[in-house]
Amino acid sequence: KAGVTQTPRYLIKTRGQQVTLSCSPISGHRSVSWYQQTPGQGLQFLFEYFSETQRNKGNFPGRFSGRQFSNSRSEMNVSTLELGDSALYLCASRQGLNTEAFFGQGTRLTVV
Amino acid sequence: KNQVEQSPQSLIILEGKNCTPQCNYTVSPFSNLRWYKQDTGRGPVSLTIMTFSENTKSNGRYTATLDADTKQSSLHITASQLSDSASYICVVSSRGGGSYIPTFGRGTSLIVHP
Repeated sequence: KAGVTQTPRYLIKTRGQQVTLSCSPISGHRSVSWYQQTPGQGLQFLFEYFSETQRNKGNFPGRFSGRQFSNSRSEMNVSTLELGDSALYLCASRQGLNTEAFFGQGTRLTVV
Repeated sequence: KNQVEQSPQSLIILEGKNCTPQCNYTVSPFSNLRWYKQDTGRGPVSLTIMTFSENTKSNGRYTATLDADTKQSSLHITASQLSDSASYICVVSSRGGGSYIPTFGRGTSLIVHP
């Protein structure tokens, strides 16, 4: 079974631009959640989608948004990028809402 | 505010020795506690999960303990190997909105020297 796939692996953007990151969950998994990881703050929860509906959201500004498609694939969008958005963005999928989460390799975003 | 504190921030040990990263949490309502291992440049991988009624869980050389009264957990790593060099992250989940919301610790960075 293929694992969680995130694309792209690396990305460089300039301030003010927007970016879209993609996550393909493990086959059969209906939940996809997104996290931001920085050296200063550690891992922080962004949001979780289950069956195309956002179930929970962390404390991030509205510039961070996401969606989930009918095939469970998910995208995360960040608009009006700031230098502080530079981070490793991790996606995790799980079968149900309280089952084990499996993480992807992450997308390393650098904002210059 | 839900919080997870881990100590120490970093740990350096010799191959073959044991170590025990710690985790203290103030998360309510408590649902479960997981320990993850994250290698540099990779996503976290789950090691153990414990619910309120469980106070110990093993996975090979990793043994996690949970004291729900004092809200503390530890991850005992036995006979360390070079491949154990990684960040060990404690994650405590609370139930909300029909789902489970995780609060992450900042991790203990372990370096195992030969």
